[in-house]
Amino acid sequence: QQPVQSPQAVILREGEDAVINCSSSKALYSVHWYRQKHGEAPVFLMILLKGGEQKGHEKISASFNEKKQQSSLYLTASQLSYSGTYFCGTESSSAGGTSYGKLTFGQGTILTVHP
Amino acid sequence: SAVISQKPSRDICQRGTSLTIQCQVDSQVTMMFWYRQQPGQSLTLIATANQGSEATYESGFVIDKFPISRPNLTFSTLTVSNMSPEDSSIYLCSVKFGNSPLHFGNGTRLTVT
Repeated sequence: QQPVQSPQAVILREGEDAVINCSSSKALYSVHWYRQKHGEAPVFLMILLKGGEQKGHEKISASFNEKKQQSSLYLTASQLSYSGTYFCGTESSSAGGTSYGKLTFGQGTILTVHP
Repeated sequence: SAVISQKPSRDICQRGTSLTIQCQVDSQVTMMFWYRQQPGQSLTLIATANQGSEATYESGFVIDKFPISRPNLTFSTLTVSNMSPEDSSIYLCSVKFGNSPLHFGNGTRLTVT
């Protein structure tokens, strides 16, 4: 089942912050975040493997609440280059707690940053 | 991370014909997946390409329509058969090493007229 992302779209001015949420109905092994610009393949941003894990990448960070099966992507002090569509990809856990390997992607969040 | 070469990068095909997309990886990889991205939509998994055995297809995708080959650990093909305009999409090859991220090829943009 496809994870649910919110919001569907965000419009920001340069320097503003945004949060994108990703929620799954399944037990998760990991959450992956990607950004895709028009006409290009998705580009990997970060992967979160453990419950409660939080990672950072310059001004982009993410958290993963394993118990709630949710992840959030935080973009701070946004730049024009942050514009694009953000996808979360979720990797479900098997009954034994291992991964099936494949990702199921959310419907995407369109982020637009204006000068 | 792996270097993934996907060919062709784009093609325009007539309905009723078939197109085979190639995916070459610069290192051996266990997990290889084919995704489809219809215009303005998210990425949908078509199938997992298994080396030495039949691909594992997701619900809504069948082997007759999307036959997949995986002759070795570095190469796979996806064929889109008997195409219709509804098959116009971007098709993406992707690979994953264990707990690593999923890496994508540059995609094949297919237009069916």
